[in-house]
Amino acid sequence: AQTVTQSQPEMSVQEAETVTLSCTYDTSESDYYLFWYKQPPSRQMILVIRQEAYKQQNATENRFSVNFQKAAKSFSLKISDSQLGDAAMYFCAYTVGTYKYIFGTGTRLKVLA
Amino acid sequence: GAVVSQHPSWVICKSGTSVKIECRSLDFQATTMFWYRQFPKQSLMLMATSNEGSKATYEQGVEKDKFLINHASLTLSTLTVTSAHPEDSSFYICSARPPRGGSPLHFGNGTRLTVT
Repeated sequence: AQTVTQSQPEMSVQEAETVTLSCTYDTSESDYYLFWYKQPPSRQMILVIRQEAYKQQNATENRFSVNFQKAAKSFSLKISDSQLGDAAMYFCAYTVGTYKYIFGTGTRLKVLA
Repeated sequence: GAVVSQHPSWVICKSGTSVKIECRSLDFQATTMFWYRQFPKQSLMLMATSNEGSKATYEQGVEKDKFLINHASLTLSTLTVTSAHPEDSSFYICSARPPRGGSPLHFGNGTRLTVT
């Protein structure tokens, strides 16, 4: 069965510093898609970044980048130059094409001023 | 970008009444929508997959007679909580999946339901 695991329930980072959130998943598929979503206190789910498994290059969106290790089934999110507005719950998610999406349990990120 | 509209944002109802939550895909035709329930400080719990023109697929443990889902058009799915009880109080979120496989889900803003 496909699963997504986020082993860090909570993380803290000093403003302007860098933090890495971990995510591992289990699948027997070779083609799939991975996502990081952010859920701020407003509870609106916001897409942070998307990675296609067949692409070796790590996805990057401004201050957000991923370290995608396909063999290790690892998909960590790095946030550089952390800002107060980055404080939120972060969810890692996985899908295979038209299949349903599987979410991890989330990591709560606190940004310290 | 794609927008999903969910309404209402919050609702308070009395025990025994029914509540309908609407989820509209404004920018694309969504043959598939997902309904989630989220408890405080927890992850999204998938309740059901809503497919246009067919019956919804419910996850194990979700009462289909209590949580009625209708996906009558390519842009609208509704979740009706029937005979609501206080334990149904929660945050409900819908999402729409764009036609292209592997696309990110687009989420509504969620509905906070309080049953008194």
